[in-house]
Amino acid sequence: DTAVSQTPKYLVTQMGNDKSIKCEQNLGHDTMYWYKQDSKKFLKIMFSYNNKELIINETVPNRFSPKSPDKAHLNLHINSLELGDSAVYFCASSPPSAAFIGELFFGEGSRLTVL
Amino acid sequence: GQNIDQPTEMTATEGAIVQINCTYQTSGFNGLFWYQQHAGEAPTFLSYNVLDGLEEKGRFSSFLSRSKGYSYLLLKELQMKDSASYLCAVTASGGSYIPTFGRGTSLIVHP
Repeated sequence: DTAVSQTPKYLVTQMGNDKSIKCEQNLGHDTMYWYKQDSKKFLKIMFSYNNKELIINETVPNRFSPKSPDKAHLNLHINSLELGDSAVYFCASSPPSAAFIGELFFGEGSRLTVL
Repeated sequence: GQNIDQPTEMTATEGAIVQINCTYQTSGFNGLFWYQQHAGEAPTFLSYNVLDGLEEKGRFSSFLSRSKGYSYLLLKELQMKDSASYLCAVTASGGSYIPTFGRGTSLIVHP
């Protein structure tokens, strides 16, 4: 069974559209993340979320919003897509921060292409 | 904020040893971590250092000096499959303990 799974793996869409990427983890972790990896391979945190707290990277446009129906899921909604949103989006999870030793478990990534 | 610096690219020969350096500046340092990422795949965890010194794990070792804000990843007996990007990441109280990554070092291993 895949520990962290994301769908879709590939997404091609037009500028101005709204899209969502889903993420699910079956590791029982409390904290989930969304990272964006650009064409230069820089992996940048977008959101960190557990059932108590949402931490938002202040550089992330408010067109991006995380939605968590339960602690096993953290979906990413993107409104009014722009060309610069083209990237690979990685979902990840980790144990509670008090015990955190830096091991993130990543999903396979979702490659978003905005035309 | 946090600042993490590592070389963009390195090349090495199969069977050799390579050292990938990482320097960081952060507030409330907690730990330093190394991840490996093959092209088109997700990053995978390699190692972590919380205290100063060397941590060894098979062909890979990672070193940390907190006073110098410095770490390195040492890869021994290089194999072609070690060609990948190596990402240094830091957690700190100043960053809410969220792993912050450097830009990665692309390692090319040639025969």
